[in-house]
Amino acid sequence: RKEVEQDPGPFNVPEGATVAFNCTYSNSASQSFFWYRQDCRKEPKLLMSVYSSGNEDGRFTAQLNRASQYISLLIRDSKLSDSATYLCVAEGTYKYIFGTGTRLKVLA
Amino acid sequence: SAVISQKPSRDICQRGTSLTIQCQVDSQVTMMFWYRQQPGQSLTLIATANQGSEATYESGFVIDKFPISRPNLTFSTLTVSNMSPEDSSIYLCSAPGQVNTEAFFGQGTRLTVV
Repeated sequence: RKEVEQDPGPFNVPEGATVAFNCTYSNSASQSFFWYRQDCRKEPKLLMSVYSSGNEDGRFTAQLNRASQYISLLIRDSKLSDSATYLCVAEGTYKYIFGTGTRLKVLA
Repeated sequence: SAVISQKPSRDICQRGTSLTIQCQVDSQVTMMFWYRQQPGQSLTLIATANQGSEATYESGFVIDKFPISRPNLTFSTLTVSNMSPEDSSIYLCSAPGQVNTEAFFGQGTRLTVV
């Protein structure tokens, strides 16, 4: 089993739609979690951290479920510019473990 | 946050040669990380570079192939040695902003081995 697992997609959604991604992690000792966004041929950039109490930033909401060991990302009112790969990250023992990423394509 | 400058941004190299990639961080960091990202795949950790000690390599990666230097708290290099076409990939360096917070990335080095 991979340490961090994501559905690779692609998720093709129309503009304005709401889309949700889930990610599961295997290391119950992980304390920190993040969502990164990666555009084609670019480095990953932090989208948001995921806190136990949840985290909302504009159209983006991240949730953590420790009991089931998954994190989620919800994007509301999708924009064309949201098209990218979204990487789930769990902090391991002094290192970061990346999921394979979920591709999102927002269609006009 | 941390700003990381990575170079070269891309290179095309002959098989059998070596390439050294450099990363400079704008602040002192205890650990730096080197990743490889092959086309269409996610990031795979190669090693963790600690200042003053040998790098810690992940399974499948060895020091002879990917020697790492970490001469101080703001700089690190990764060398891809005796390259083959299978080494064609994007290589990324990374450093945490603070302990247990988000990681920041260099711009990546796109390596093509011919």
